[in-house]
Amino acid sequence: DAGVIQSPRHEVTEMGQEVTLRCKPISGHNSLFWYRQTMMRGLELLIYFNNNVPIDDSGMPEDRFSAKMPNASFSTLKIQPSEPRDSAVYFCASSLGQGAGQPQHFGDGTRLSIL
Amino acid sequence: AQSVTQPDIHITVSEGASLELRCNYSYGATPYLFWYVQSPGQGLQLLLKYFSGDTLVQGIKGFEAEFKRSQSSFNLRKPSVHWSDAAEYFCAVAVSGGYNKLIFGAGTRLAVHP
Repeated sequence: DAGVIQSPRHEVTEMGQEVTLRCKPISGHNSLFWYRQTMMRGLELLIYFNNNVPIDDSGMPEDRFSAKMPNASFSTLKIQPSEPRDSAVYFCASSLGQGAGQPQHFGDGTRLSIL
Repeated sequence: AQSVTQPDIHITVSEGASLELRCNYSYGATPYLFWYVQSPGQGLQLLLKYFSGDTLVQGIKGFEAEFKRSQSSFNLRKPSVHWSDAAEYFCAVAVSGGYNKLIFGAGTRLAVHP
């Protein structure tokens, strides 16, 4: 079975530009997570969706960040305008259900560089 | 507040040697604990998980972990390390709040010498 699929794998763009990251969760999983990984802050949860509805967006750093999940098989994380400090690896993860014991399955990430 | 501490940032072992990676957590209730591994350029892969019952849990790739409530620890072990085990390892605890939110430790980077 296919795992979590993220695109693009790498993105390099200039500050001020809009960046859109994409995620396809594992089929049948109804929980989706967006994380950011940096050397300074480690892994941070940005936003959590359940059944396509945003449940917890307390980790979204500022209004420049937005996330959507229009259907069960697709989610986007958008940064507009982008800034150099947004450079990081962004991961999408999905899980079957939202019980505390449900493991999260991660994609390979998008490495974002803002110049 | 819930937290996870991995005291060792870097560990280097020789191939064939035993390995123990430390993890301490802070959580009031019975924790759900996980170990993930991240190889360079890849996402996190679940190694094993602990919910309840037997305090020694077996995972993939020959790893095991032992839950010790008295020490608030969940250390990861492997009796004989292979060069392919070089990666970063993350301990995580699932916290209450209505869903399976994970709090991750800072990670331990493992290097394996031939």
